[in-house]
Amino acid sequence: KQEVTQIPAALSVPEGENLVLNCSFTDSAIYNLQWFRQDPGKGLTSLLLIQSSQREQTSGRLNASLDKSSGRSTLYIAASQPGDSATYLCAVRGSSNTGKLIFGQGTTLQVKP
Amino acid sequence: EAGVAQSPRYKIIEKRQSVAFWCNPISGHATLYWYQQILGQGPKLLIQFQNNGVVDDSQLPKDRFSAERLKGVDSTLKIQPAKLEDSAVYLCASSLEGVAGGEQFFGPGTRLTVL
Repeated sequence: KQEVTQIPAALSVPEGENLVLNCSFTDSAIYNLQWFRQDPGKGLTSLLLIQSSQREQTSGRLNASLDKSSGRSTLYIAASQPGDSATYLCAVRGSSNTGKLIFGQGTTLQVKP
Repeated sequence: EAGVAQSPRYKIIEKRQSVAFWCNPISGHATLYWYQQILGQGPKLLIQFQNNGVVDDSQLPKDRFSAERLKGVDSTLKIQPAKLEDSAVYLCASSLEGVAGGEQFFGPGTRLTVL
């Protein structure tokens, strides 16, 4: 059974710092991995999607990496800003033929001005 | 491009009452998902539709929850009767490709409080 874990559960950093959020999963047989952002009281915004054949994806100040063999993904945020404050969720899609996403519990990030 | 629409945004009911949520996916997206997100946790899939057929409903509490997708477009999720532990955000998502692929796009969610 696939389990997804995110560490740390919460993180507080000063503005401008580079930071790394971690995601680990127990079953390496995944189809893809997706990182989301969730603002309080809002839905999920997709940030990056990495297919199982890819090692990383980049969008602006965000870079996500995937190491299937070790069951890990990282989300790197460069030059953090107060507007980056949110909960970040990673989710994996298994290699079966359904689209079900298995989510971690999220990392809540606070960037202080 | 319009995103995934959900209504209502908030709902407060008493236990044992019934409630229904509505979702309109992104135009052309064949696959539609309903997730339940309990406070402090990641979302959990309740049911997945491919067009108007059910692909996965293994985690749907079928004694009280039901869902349908009329004509392969809009979907409704119903809870009857509601329990206190059903208090959560109900998220609808859709994706373009078929069953095995595609980025999922989420709606704003419906926050349900059961008193």
